[in-house]
Amino acid sequence: EDKVVQSPLSLVVHEGDTVTLNCSYEVTNFRSLLWYKQEKKAPTFLFMLTSSGIEKKSGRLSSILDKKELSSILNITATQTGDSAIYLCAVPRPTMYSGGGADGLTFGKGTHLIIQP
Amino acid sequence: EAQVTQNPRYLITVTGKKLTVTCSQNMNHEYMSWYRQDPGLGLRQIYYSMNVEVTDKGDVPEGYKVSRKEKRNFPLILESPSPNQTSLYFCASSFGPLNTEAFFGQGTRLTVV
Repeated sequence: EDKVVQSPLSLVVHEGDTVTLNCSYEVTNFRSLLWYKQEKKAPTFLFMLTSSGIEKKSGRLSSILDKKELSSILNITATQTGDSAIYLCAVPRPTMYSGGGADGLTFGKGTHLIIQP
Repeated sequence: EAQVTQNPRYLITVTGKKLTVTCSQNMNHEYMSWYRQDPGLGLRQIYYSMNVEVTDKGDVPEGYKVSRKEKRNFPLILESPSPNQTSLYFCASSFGPLNTEAFFGQGTRLTVV
């Protein structure tokens, strides 16, 4: 059974700090790993990682995949109160049907990040 | 605007009264899924659909039904809701095989009393 484990589950830091969120996975036929940010509503897409060692960046957020360690990290530098959210890591679950593809996403439980002013 | 629309956003109902949560996407996506999100358990997949008339169970399908008669719509049906189905529900869609970004609806908060 595919498994995605995120740590820490909860994190409280002060504005301006840098945080690192972790995601480890055990999946059959790994293809990609996705990061989402969830505020008080729907998860919104941040990054998709497919190759080991390549960093994806968007402003103060960056993420990197380590296929050897079966893990990924999400870094947020110079945190702001608007970064407060639940950060979700997910991996596609390969389909049993022919033709490739995936049946859905297996999510970790998320990291609840709180940025204090 | 590309979006996934769920309705209703909030619903309080009584045990045993059938209900349907609708989901519609305007991106011509083939893949659609339903998830429920519970504290301490994260997001778990209920059902998914790879195309019209093709649906299959996810991790927690018990007590739910779905249908995919049109590409854009993927309703979630609770024939006889029970209190343990109180949860936050999300519909999601994606263009192709789920190695790409999935777009989520705004969520439906369901309470069954």
